[in-house]
Amino acid sequence: NAGVMQNPRHLVRRRGQEARLRCSPMKGHSHVYWYRQLPEEGLKFMVYLQKENIIDESGMPKERFSAEFPKEGPSILRIQQVVRGDSAAYFCASSGGTANTGELFFGEGSRLTVL
Amino acid sequence: QKEVEQNSGPLSVPEGAIASLNCTYSDRGSQSFFWYRQYSGKSPELIMFIYSNGDKEDGRFTAQLNKASQYVSLLIRDSQPSDSATYLCAVTLGYSSASKIIFGSGTRLSIRP
Repeated sequence: NAGVMQNPRHLVRRRGQEARLRCSPMKGHSHVYWYRQLPEEGLKFMVYLQKENIIDESGMPKERFSAEFPKEGPSILRIQQVVRGDSAAYFCASSGGTANTGELFFGEGSRLTVL
Repeated sequence: QKEVEQNSGPLSVPEGAIASLNCTYSDRGSQSFFWYRQYSGKSPELIMFIYSNGDKEDGRFTAQLNKASQYVSLLIRDSQPSDSATYLCAVTLGYSSASKIIFGSGTRLSIRP
C-alpha cells in the first residue's frame, strides 16, 4: 500500500499524558501537513513540514504541541500533557511528488480521546 | 474575516438536480484551489482542483473560479444519493510554492431521493 499511513488509528490518553501520532507520507512525497478536526467541523491547519524542516507552524498551539519530519522515518506530531480539549481527529496529508499539483493525499486519521 | 469561508449547510437537493456549493477566500495571492469530499468518519478525498479563472469540468463536476471576486464554486450535476457528504473548499495561501493549504469549514450536502 503506497498511501499515506497514520498510526495509531485510535489513541486513548488520560489528562497529563503524552500522545504521539505518526505519519508516513506517500512514496515519493516530501511534504507533510497535519490538520486537526473536531466533530462536525472543518480541517484546522496545524503545521506544514518538509524533510528536516518546519515550513509553517502558524497553526500549532504555542505550548505542548510539536512536530517533526526527520530525514529517516515518519513525521511525528507530539502532544504533551494532553487535556480534554485535545480530543479530536488528527489528519496527516502528503504532497510533492514528481507531478506536484498541490493535491493533498490524506491518511485515515488518528482519533485521540483524552479521558 | 476567515481565510476560507463556506456556508455550513445542510444543503438539501433532490436527486437528479444540480447542487451548487460556494466558497470565498481572503488572500488575493492565492494560486491554487481545491474541492475535497469527506464522508462521515472518513478522510477527505480530492474531487477537483482549479488554478485559472473560468470553468473546469470533470464528469458531473464543474469547478468555477473568479479571482477578481475571490470566489470559487463547485457544481454537481445529476446529483446522486452517494454525493451526500461534506464538501471542503481548500486554498493555498500566498504566492510561494511552499504555501500552506487552508480549508473552509465545509458544507454538508444531502441528496434526497
